[in-house]
Amino acid sequence: GAVVSQHPSWVICKSGTSVKIECRSLDFQATTMFWYRQFPKQSLMLMATSNEGSKATYEQGVEKDKFLINHASLTLSTLTVTSAHPEDSSFYICSAIRDSQNQPQHFGDGTRLSIL
Amino acid sequence: RKEVEQDPGPFNVPEGATVAFNCTYSNSASQSFFWYRQDCRKEPKLLMSVYSSGNEDGRFTAQLNRASQYISLLIRDSKLSDSATYLCVVNGEYGNKLVFGAGTILRVKS
Repeated sequence: GAVVSQHPSWVICKSGTSVKIECRSLDFQATTMFWYRQFPKQSLMLMATSNEGSKATYEQGVEKDKFLINHASLTLSTLTVTSAHPEDSSFYICSAIRDSQNQPQHFGDGTRLSIL
Repeated sequence: RKEVEQDPGPFNVPEGATVAFNCTYSNSASQSFFWYRQDCRKEPKLLMSVYSSGNEDGRFTAQLNRASQYISLLIRDSKLSDSATYLCVVNGEYGNKLVFGAGTILRVKS
């Protein structure tokens, strides 16, 4: 069964709306979660690394004020796309790892965001 | 040069065929290697980790050549359900950040 749950699966909203996406690890504590974005026919691109109890680490070119990340507990990280615009439309996927080096990441089932 | 490079395909093969995918990575300090599969409009799912000694899981065999910075995936007796995009994924030197290849598309046809 799924070990990482992501919600919502689909979001369609108007330009200028802020959208919050939740990522939960279901049966383990995840000190680190990752947020990715994938455009059609492209590979997953890491946006940020979310660490429980501390500020997220953003990849180069990702605006931290645009993509707010909160990792308030060991099982929940949230990504808020603030004032979303059509160019933010994408597939957003989170992943989580157990607290161990070099372990594979387990992915949530993704959120398809469409901004009109 | 991309950090992880894969042939995008598509590979069109008949059921029962054996197919091999290759992947190269640029960071010689990479520690961990994985193959994920991604179905259309879905999240990636771990297929298998790749170990230095090579490893097999049923019809799937993965191999790693650190000297050449090369990873392979072999699928035997292809099934229709194997149709997907196969992602070569490499873990970086520090932390657990993953770098994804763009994927290789496999289409298995009856």
